[in-house]
Amino acid sequence: EPEVTQTPSHQVTQMGQEVILRCVPISNHLYFYWYRQILGQKVEFLVSFYNNEISEKSEIFDDQFSVERPDGSNFTLKIRATKLEDSAMYFCASSGEDLHLYQETQYFGPGTRLLVL
Amino acid sequence: GQQLNQSPQSMFIQEGEDVSMNCTSSSIFNTWLWYKQDPGEGPVLLIALYKAGELTSNGRLTAQFGITRKDSFLNISASIPSDVGIYFCAGPGTSYGKLTFGQGTILTVHP
Repeated sequence: EPEVTQTPSHQVTQMGQEVILRCVPISNHLYFYWYRQILGQKVEFLVSFYNNEISEKSEIFDDQFSVERPDGSNFTLKIRATKLEDSAMYFCASSGEDLHLYQETQYFGPGTRLLVL
Repeated sequence: GQQLNQSPQSMFIQEGEDVSMNCTSSSIFNTWLWYKQDPGEGPVLLIALYKAGELTSNGRLTAQFGITRKDSFLNISASIPSDVGIYFCAGPGTSYGKLTFGQGTILTVHP
């Protein structure tokens, strides 16, 4: 069964450093998302991406964050100048092989656990 | 913004018991999704509901999309130890594609 994959599974970085989290969405999906989950809290939306541009972003997704689809398979989240409070699980999701039927059913990857020291 | 409230926050049950949890929203949703999250893992989609009043099953799981479109429930019958985890309801927000999540129901099953 097709699935969303993410690398790395864990990332430890120093405060102020840049990190890039990588995702391979489900093949033929059209919509891509990043979510964040701080330990013990609910999953929070960061950004959605469609047709090579951001569709929507939350107030969390400020200038420190950027997303890119550098090729036909990868979808990346870059966090510049990381802060302690960026420590969280970051989930990639994808949806929408059928625009009208499936666009709202999102499938999640296993996540990247980011720890900022 | 839109809020999803799940109850109960946590449940401790014996293996074999049935479980019921629900989710209510402050506004109408057109889709309800139920996910399960194991520790250190990503949310796994259990059931998707697309129509008010819809009742859908997936094995021992049954979920319903409330008629008012502001609530949904998830039932698990004859619980087993591997049902342990956090169950989240989620729905698309007012904007395109963004999912709003509830705060989760933590389920513990005692053998």
